[in-house]
Amino acid sequence: KNQVEQSPQSLIILEGKNCTLQCNYTVSPFSNLRWYKQDTGRGPVSLTIMTFSENTKSNGRYTATLDADTKQSSLHITASQLSDSASYICVVIRSGGYNKLIFGAGTRLAVHP
Amino acid sequence: EAGVTQSPTHLIKTRGQQVTLRCSPISGHTSVYWYQQALGLGLQFLLWYDEGEERNRGNFPPRFSGRQFPNYSSELNVNALELEDSALYLCASSLAPAGLTDTQYFGPGTRLTVL
Repeated sequence: KNQVEQSPQSLIILEGKNCTLQCNYTVSPFSNLRWYKQDTGRGPVSLTIMTFSENTKSNGRYTATLDADTKQSSLHITASQLSDSASYICVVIRSGGYNKLIFGAGTRLAVHP
Repeated sequence: EAGVTQSPTHLIKTRGQQVTLRCSPISGHTSVYWYQQALGLGLQFLLWYDEGEERNRGNFPPRFSGRQFPNYSSELNVNALELEDSALYLCASSLAPAGLTDTQYFGPGTRLTVL
């Protein structure tokens, strides 16, 4: 069964600290993996897109890693800011025929001053 | 460049009614996706349209339907509304089917409340 599981479900950190969010998937065949940031009540915004051959990709203070062998991805946030408070969604694209997007349930991050 | 737009922003309906939500993709984008996001839950894929045709459908009943127009805008129709249909409905567009590197751009969503 094609699934995307994210952990933790929610996370509270202090401003300035680092954190790492996890995404494990069982999607096959794999095309690519994306991380989105969704502020409350707004549409998700793409942070990174990673293909099978990419291990690490950065977007400012956000760094995503991908281990296609173990089917795990992580999103590391460095020097967190209050504006990082949001839901972070991992999406895996399944290839073959018409591509299909499989969404994780998201990790809700709260950054406190 | 204008982003994905959706209308209306908010909507209140009663059980049994029908609703139509609208989405205009980014200019040049041919693929439009619809998602449902119930309060506290993740995004659930509803429908994907590309070049005017339905390409894929999520695990939703037939009362959820839609279409894509020649100008690539799209409508999502929900018949016989139920209380559990209350959610944020998000539309996204991409330049081509969400393939190797095409990014989906999301609209602000339509908040539907069913009483």
